[in-house]
Amino acid sequence: QSVLTQPPSASGTPGQRVTISCSGSTSNIAYNYVYWYQQLPGTAPKLLIYKNNQRPSGVPDRFSGSKSGPSASLAISGLRSEDEADYYCTTWDDSLRGYVFGTGTKVTVL
Amino acid sequence: EVQLVESGGGLVQPGRSLRLSCVTSGFIFDDYGMHWVRQVPGKGLEWVSGISYNSESTAYADSVKGRFTITRDDAKRTLYLQMSRLTVEDTALYYCARDMAPAWDGMDVWGQGTTVTVSS
Repeated sequence: QSVLTQPPSASGTPGQRVTISCSGSTSNIAYNYVYWYQQLPGTAPKLLIYKNNQRPSGVPDRFSGSKSGPSASLAISGLRSEDEADYYCTTWDDSLRGYVFGTGTKVTVL
Repeated sequence: EVQLVESGGGLVQPGRSLRLSCVTSGFIFDDYGMHWVRQVPGKGLEWVSGISYNSESTAYADSVKGRFTITRDDAKRTLYLQMSRLTVEDTALYYCARDMAPAWDGMDVWGQGTTVTVSS
């Protein structure tokens, strides 16, 4: 099982703010960068946030990332129907000597 | 445009081997590390393996260590994953992904994946 824990689901109405947590430990999130991906149904993951809180060009500023100690969060503000997707966090794990992914969170727009 | 195109997937019996390929274009291949990530249909993402820009550093998930080998051919701009002693638990969609740096700095661009099915 994954060493990074995410809530299995999150939801909100259009325009609302949704936050997804990613809980890790001192061997991963606490001392390494966190990355967030969005995966729409039937498609490859897309990078949303890199190095904890940086947005690649083209990613709306409605998406933001933060990190505190062994945990990280992804916030989606001004929720839109096209945000319905699975979201994953990932980071390097110093003990495992490899990347680990979160369990994934399915976001539903009500 | 940066593109990653995986191939080599298919149906294979348990215990057999398979080699995946990822042909790249649109960027200077030998400036970047590369990764393989897999996903069982309906399940989450699992990082499988990574290789640095100069092939000097490689890493593997415990689940594949000793069975899978990642390599790259910079002249062909191609990433490989040699998979041996396959088990049914290796059945998944395998993605190739580019690192954001020469090595170990997250994955930014992903291919569309190639499906591996291990079954007798």
